[in-house]
Amino acid sequence: EADIYQTPRYLVIGTGKKITLECSQTMGHDKMYWYQQDPGMELHLIHYSYGVNSTEKGDLSSESTVSRIRTEHFPLTLESARPSHTSQYLCASSARGLLTNNEQFFGPGTRLTVL
Amino acid sequence: GENVGLHLPTLSVQEGDNSIINCAYSNSASDYFIWYKQESGKGPQFIIDIRSNMDKRQGQRVTVLLNKTVKHLSLQIAATQPGDSAVYFCAEKQDSSYKLIFGSGTRLLVRP
Repeated sequence: EADIYQTPRYLVIGTGKKITLECSQTMGHDKMYWYQQDPGMELHLIHYSYGVNSTEKGDLSSESTVSRIRTEHFPLTLESARPSHTSQYLCASSARGLLTNNEQFFGPGTRLTVL
Repeated sequence: GENVGLHLPTLSVQEGDNSIINCAYSNSASDYFIWYKQESGKGPQFIIDIRSNMDKRQGQRVTVLLNKTVKHLSLQIAATQPGDSAVYFCAEKQDSSYKLIFGSGTRLLVRP
């Protein structure tokens, strides 16, 4: 089992609410990632971080924002949730080194439903 | 947004048979490939990986084959068990990047 945690696991919220999805890892990994995944579909990278104070947008445009103030913590925030944000959000982390195999370890995901 | 996975290919096998799941990857410059297993309601779990300088790698009951000529990756599961039922994703990566590019998944159903 990977030591990467996400909370909440499930969230049902009304339109317009601000939400923060939490992700923490205890492996000391410097790389962290957020993916969005609709049921049965592929994973789309929406944010990533190379380390503290580093954040980058991923390949899929997202209205969410992220921060990386501590190595182990990579929260994702939606300022104003909309039904189109309904999806599963997966957090992952990987160890340093471009030439290592860089396996990504995934958390259990947060399933978000916006009414 | 929320989509139904109507386009997810499905492989149905009898318990005890061997399974072969295929993946066509997109970038001939990719150096590293991974297979992930994702059970319902969970995040993807690492199964096996392979680097581009290899064409075969074996694990416990699983084998990954890489054909760089046709950009094809396959996952073979021996003696498939009910616990193998899940969605399987391949992913590729270049050594110059930390990002994994995921393919569309294949749902494996194991019939008892």
